[in-house]
Amino acid sequence: EPEVTQTPSHQVTQMGQEVILRCVPISNHLYFYWYRQILGQKVEFLVSFYNNEISEKSEIFDDQFSVERPDGSNFTLKIRSTKLEDSAMYFCASSPGLSTYEQYFGPGTRLTVT
Amino acid sequence: DAKTTQPPSMDCAEGRAANLPCNHSTISGNEYVYWYRQIHSQGPQYIIHGLKNNETNEMASLIITEDRKSSTLILPHATLRDTAVYYCIVRVAEYAGGFKTIFGAGTRLFVKA
Repeated sequence: EPEVTQTPSHQVTQMGQEVILRCVPISNHLYFYWYRQILGQKVEFLVSFYNNEISEKSEIFDDQFSVERPDGSNFTLKIRSTKLEDSAMYFCASSPGLSTYEQYFGPGTRLTVT
Repeated sequence: DAKTTQPPSMDCAEGRAANLPCNHSTISGNEYVYWYRQIHSQGPQYIIHGLKNNETNEMASLIITEDRKSSTLILPHATLRDTAVYYCIVRVAEYAGGFKTIFGAGTRLFVKA
């Protein structure tokens, strides 16, 4: 069964450094998402991406964050200058299209900012 | 999106049916009911969704009341691997750019041997 994959599974970085989290969505899906979950808290929506542009973003998704689909298969989340409070699990998700709305989530990348 | 109310936790014996309730009294006519679950720090997993009619798939059944103000997710024969947080979400069906999912606190289901 096709699945969303994410790399790396765990990323440790120092405060102020840039990180790129990578995702490979399911191949025929059209919508892509990033969510995050701080330890012990709810899963929070960050951004949705469709037709090579951001379709919606949350208040969390400020200028430090950016997303890209550079080559038609990968979907990346970049954090320009990490802060301690960016430590969280980051989940990528994809969904097929307008007629089906269920989202398929990847296993997540645990980001630890020290 | 309409808000949902779920009990914070529930227990279920292994092999028995787990019935997880959800109230969504302010649901609108164009909003679907979705259920996801999250097994310990893994990515959320889609389970099932419905609009008015009851739905069944290989994972679960979804029973929606006639007035659509509440629903129940049924896991017919719960196993230990079904221990997870279950999220009930209502969401509009039509949006050109995508469908963000707003997760609440969910119900933590403990399946016990």
